[in-house]
Amino acid sequence: GAVVSQHPSWVICKSGTSVKIECRSLDFQATTMFWYRQFPKQSLMLMATSNEGSKATYEQGVEKDKFLINHASLTLSTLTVTSAHPEDSSFYICSAQPRTSGRGEQYFGPGTRLTVT
Amino acid sequence: QKEVEQNSGPLSVPEGAIASLNCTYSDRGSQSFFWYRQYSGKSPELIMFIYSNGDKEDGRFTAQLNKASQYVSLLIRDSQPSDSATYLCAVIGSGGSNYKLTFGKGTLLTVNP
Repeated sequence: GAVVSQHPSWVICKSGTSVKIECRSLDFQATTMFWYRQFPKQSLMLMATSNEGSKATYEQGVEKDKFLINHASLTLSTLTVTSAHPEDSSFYICSAQPRTSGRGEQYFGPGTRLTVT
Repeated sequence: QKEVEQNSGPLSVPEGAIASLNCTYSDRGSQSFFWYRQYSGKSPELIMFIYSNGDKEDGRFTAQLNKASQYVSLLIRDSQPSDSATYLCAVIGSGGSNYKLTFGKGTLLTVNP
């Protein structure tokens, strides 16, 4: 149980284009989903927290107009990187918190590796 | 500012030995504690969680929590080369409406055959 999928697993796009990443909880409902970014050999960095049916909460320094998050249902959240630039190239990972979670455990998706050329 | 501290390592142990990973946290009101394993190039995988003082065992893994000392550890018995990974300690602190995890920087474990 507690499986989270992400699609695509990797993507290459040209500078200036937009990329959408999907995060799905496959066998549970997730009230809250999180989006992280990780650069090589660095720690996970939380970008934003999204709750189903409401606006995402972004961490300080993360541009909400550049990283659009939509949490349309209890099993799906999407991250859209708009007007991507090479410095946005990174490993994007989502996590989901089960609706029935009493203590806040998060289950991570396999990640999406974004390369902007 | 809520902080979670881990030794960055690398921690190197021979195959079959016990690996001991340690973590301290600054928020005394923290309630939930997690250990994640992250292989190079992969996303984190939840391996243990603990909420109460004491030990919690799951197979070869034992998590230990001491809230008075603000200390949580992970023991891996009979370490295998496949256990070689970065181990992340994560804590949910007090306050706030979302259960955000605060991660340590991780300890790199290498198990030598």
